[in-house]
Amino acid sequence: KNEVEQSPQNLTAQEGEFITINCSYSVGISALHWLQQHPGGGIVSLFMLSSGKKKHGRLIATINIQEKHSSLHITASHPRDSAVYICAVTGNQFYFGTGTSLTVIP
Amino acid sequence: DAGVIQSPRHEVTEMGQEVTLRCKPISGHNSLFWYRQTMMRGLELLIYFNNNVPIDDSGMPEDRFSAKMPNASFSTLKIQPSEPRDSAVYFCASSLATYRGSGNTIYFGEGSWLTVV
Repeated sequence: KNEVEQSPQNLTAQEGEFITINCSYSVGISALHWLQQHPGGGIVSLFMLSSGKKKHGRLIATINIQEKHSSLHITASHPRDSAVYICAVTGNQFYFGTGTSLTVIP
Repeated sequence: DAGVIQSPRHEVTEMGQEVTLRCKPISGHNSLFWYRQTMMRGLELLIYFNNNVPIDDSGMPEDRFSAKMPNASFSTLKIQPSEPRDSAVYFCASSLATYRGSGNTIYFGEGSWLTVV
């Protein structure tokens, strides 16, 4: 059983579409991270949140602590958003989701 | 800011050889993490330092792996002897946090791509 579950595993979207990636976790956490891994392998931390909602450009992350669920939204998706998005939680230990591979087609 | 700097970027080595990966965290950050990423297991936390002290090394796979942080600006991850199953991308990351990166954003290096043949 994975402590962090992401869905979908793979996602293909047309440029301009609104995208949602979901993350559910089963452990107590102090923070949740959304990471973006580019095709070249580099990892960028997009958000760190412990409650509510954060926005950065076209990216929005929300978390519901009671439901142990977080979503990452991308508005007006663009081919450069194509990457693997990883959800990670920190609590007593560090747990990672298996990632969502996003491809945005022009 | 130069970000987290890792070296080497790529290494190919023969089974049985010692491998040393190096990391320079962002200046002022007090937490440093070593991760390993493989196709089979995804991203895994190997070890976490806070203020140069190893806090949690439960992710270190076995005694062949060791990590040190002699000062706030440098850390090493050593594999001795290396085995083909150690082939992976090893990421170093740092943050300004009090516990397991929960306080602030974690900044990743570009990774060290290790191939053991």
